Parts: sequence; structure tokens; C-alpha cells
Amino acid sequence: SAVISQKPSRDICQRGTSLTIQCQVDSQVTMMFWYRQQPGQSLTLIATANQGSEATYESGFVIDKFPISRPNLTFSTLTVSNMSPEDSSIYLCSVAGGPIEQYFGPGTRLTVT
Amino acid sequence: GDSVTQMEGPVTLSEEAFLTINCTYTATGYPSLFWYVQYPGEGLQLLLKATKADDKGSNKGFEATYRKETTSFHLEKGSVQVSDSAVYFCALSVPDSSYKLIFGSGTRLLVRP
Repeated sequence: SAVISQKPSRDICQRGTSLTIQCQVDSQVTMMFWYRQQPGQSLTLIATANQGSEATYESGFVIDKFPISRPNLTFSTLTVSNMSPEDSSIYLCSVAGGPIEQYFGPGTRLTVT
Repeated sequence: GDSVTQMEGPVTLSEEAFLTINCTYTATGYPSLFWYVQYPGEGLQLLLKATKADDKGSNKGFEATYRKETTSFHLEKGSVQVSDSAVYFCALSVPDSSYKLIFGSGTRLLVRP
């Protein structure tokens, strides 16, 4: 399985600011994903990020709010823009590994005050 | 649409008790099924998976059998330990090559000594 790291592991931010979360994988992967886990909730897919193409966003998520970069096969960033307290969540990246499964990073715990 | 339904938690057990966490799904086609575990403060780890009817996934003493007739994938363990305390997520992936995962709401398990 792939080893995935995320930076920062946690942050406290003021409303109206933006935070960029980094996701680094120890091997080349085609498909990467970004999820949001609101407090006490399950995971919701934000977008799928393939290298060399625009990210594909799920219903309810837009590029202006969650811009994603995928410059190479081992790295991606998610920016949470113009934050509000409702954006307080854990943000997780994952990668497609093996024939069907995904492997997850440790997550970034974001608190917006 | 595709969905996953899990039993609500928390589930509280004494050490060495038998564990069952129910999971049922609705899907078009033939999904792959997964159990992920999230320990406190960590990301998700793949616990086990099954790709077709009657497959049994197993890992670390946990088991789940893909039951197409009842659209279920219940998680079981014969003797839980305090270290099994975590949140367990059932998920499905529809084989459309998108790797997209649909998660259940999660079930928190608390094992007491």
C-alpha cells in the first residue's frame, strides 16, 4: 500500500482567509481524491484529481471554493478559500491503489474561528 | 442512487465480547465492498474488502461476507480488544473505473476493559 503524508496536520484559521493542504505520496499514482469529514460525520468526496487534467468536482463543491492542483504523479494540493466556521472539518486525501481500493492520508484537522 | 446504511453507534462492549456491526447497501451493478477503520486522531485504514458475492474478507480477526441476496456486508469479530476501539466505516465502490467510494455514516465502537 502507498504511504501518504499530509501537511499541515492541523491548523486554526480565521474566517475569510485561505489554507492550502498538501498531500504527498511515496509512489506514482494516477488518481488522487480529496474528502471532507465534518465533525462526527462520514466522509464526503470533494473532487477527483488526475495528473494533467482538471479536477472533477462532486455536486455541492466548486473550484472557486476548493481549487486543486495536481502538478505530478506524487503530489496534490487542496485550497480551502474564503473560509467560514462551516469549513471546520478534517480534510483527507486518498489515492487509488491496487485494483479497487483507496488508501488514505492521516488527514488535516481544520478549525475556522 | 447508490448508498450504504450502517447501524448507529456507539456500540459499547466489554473486552472479549462478540462484535457485529451491520451494513447494508443499495447499488446498481456489482459493487465492491469495504470496511475502513479510523482510530482516534488518525486517517482511515482499509480493514478488509470483498469484490463479489459470497467472498469473505478478513483481517486482524475481523470478518465480513458479501451477501448479495440480502445486500449486506456485516462486520464481525469473535473477541474484541480495547485496542479495537475506533470508528468503523462500511463503503462501496461501483465498478465504473472511477474508484469512487460511497461511505456509510460510521459506527463508533468502544471496548471497555
